[in-house]
Amino acid sequence: DAGITQSPRHKVTETGTPVTLRCHQTENHRYMYWYRQDPGHGLRLIHYSYGVKDTDKGEVSDGYSVSRSKTEDFLLTLESATSSQTSVYFCAISGGDLSGNTIYFGEGSWLTVV
Amino acid sequence: DAKTTQPTSMDCAEGRAANLPCNHSTISGNEYVYWYRQIHSQGPQYIIHGLKNNETNEMASLIITEDRKSSTLILPHATLRDTAVYYCIVRATGANSKLTFGKGITLSVRP
Repeated sequence: DAGITQSPRHKVTETGTPVTLRCHQTENHRYMYWYRQDPGHGLRLIHYSYGVKDTDKGEVSDGYSVSRSKTEDFLLTLESATSSQTSVYFCAISGGDLSGNTIYFGEGSWLTVV
Repeated sequence: DAKTTQPTSMDCAEGRAANLPCNHSTISGNEYVYWYRQIHSQGPQYIIHGLKNNETNEMASLIITEDRKSSTLILPHATLRDTAVYYCIVRATGANSKLTFGKGITLSVRP
């Protein structure tokens, strides 16, 4: 298994509260991603990072921000959680070069916004 | 990224080979074919990928047609634990390219 740890694995929060999900990797990979998965939509990319302090938006980035202050950690923040952000969130990593370009996923973080 | 077309579902008997088809008729020369699977409530699991040659690893074989417009993932001896959603994805080379997931195919392995 790729060395990816997501925390928390499960969280219930109230509408309007801030939430931060953490992705930690031990592979020293350059690329890190956050996806969400919802019934009927499959996995959709929220944000990704291609290096420390280098991030970019994915297809469903509204309402989310990210930060990457060191190689091993990629944080996803919901500044003010809404019920539409109830979802399963997956972190993924990739080496980024041709030989290590495969993307590996973590086990997911289940977020419920009530 | 080019899009792929997969059947919605299929089943096979335990111990038999499972052949999962995928069409990617608009694939470009620099795009790889990737296969992932997702077992209920778990993160997507990488299976295999290839460019134009057939590939085999400990999990599966990937057969890509000569024109690269379609491929088949083969699980040689399916087990009940192989029941999952399987995603066929085409993805360009280059570090900035991302995975775009479709709906995948649900494989049910029956005893």
